[in-house]
Amino acid sequence: EPEVTQTPSHQVTQMGQEVILRCVPISNHLYFYWYRQILGQKVEFLVSFYNNEISEKSEIFDDQFSVERPDGSNFTLKIRSTKLEDSAMYFCASTTLGTSGRLGHEQFFGPGTRLTVL
Amino acid sequence: GEDVEQSLFLSVREGDSSVINCTYTDSSSTYLYWYKQEPGAGLQLLTYIFSNMDMKQDQRLTVLLNKKDKHLSLRIADTQTGDSAIYFCAAPRGGSYIPTFGRGTSLIVHP
Repeated sequence: EPEVTQTPSHQVTQMGQEVILRCVPISNHLYFYWYRQILGQKVEFLVSFYNNEISEKSEIFDDQFSVERPDGSNFTLKIRSTKLEDSAMYFCASTTLGTSGRLGHEQFFGPGTRLTVL
Repeated sequence: GEDVEQSLFLSVREGDSSVINCTYTDSSSTYLYWYKQEPGAGLQLLTYIFSNMDMKQDQRLTVLLNKKDKHLSLRIADTQTGDSAIYFCAAPRGGSYIPTFGRGTSLIVHP
């Protein structure tokens, strides 16, 4: 069964360093998302991406964050200068169009990357 | 914006029914979702209900929606140890497909 994969599973970095989190969405999916979950908090939407551009972003997704689909398979989240408060689990998700041509209900999530900023 | 709240923990005995409750704030949400997260895995869509429905049943799962009170519940009949997981309630903001998630309810099933 196709699934969303994410690498690495755990990333430890020093404050101020750049990190790139990688995701491989399901191959025929068209819409891609990043969410994060700070320990003990809610899963929060960061950004959605379609047709090689950001379609929606939250107030969390500031200039420190960027997303890219560098090739036909990877979808990346870059944090330019990490802060302690960026420590969280980061989830990638993807979805496609439903049978009616509208956005599919089901978002398929990856297992997450745990980012620890020291 | 949408705000979703749910209790953090639920402990049940194997074979009993589990009921996980959720409240949301945006009455224009057209769909409401329950996601399940098993250890080491991502969130997986368990079931969803259209906002014009009161109830949806799918095998051991029953979803009840009270639109007036903006209350959603997930009942798991004959709960098994394999049902132990974190269950997330989610509701999109009106006009959006982006779900707003609750914190998740950890369901612990005792043998």
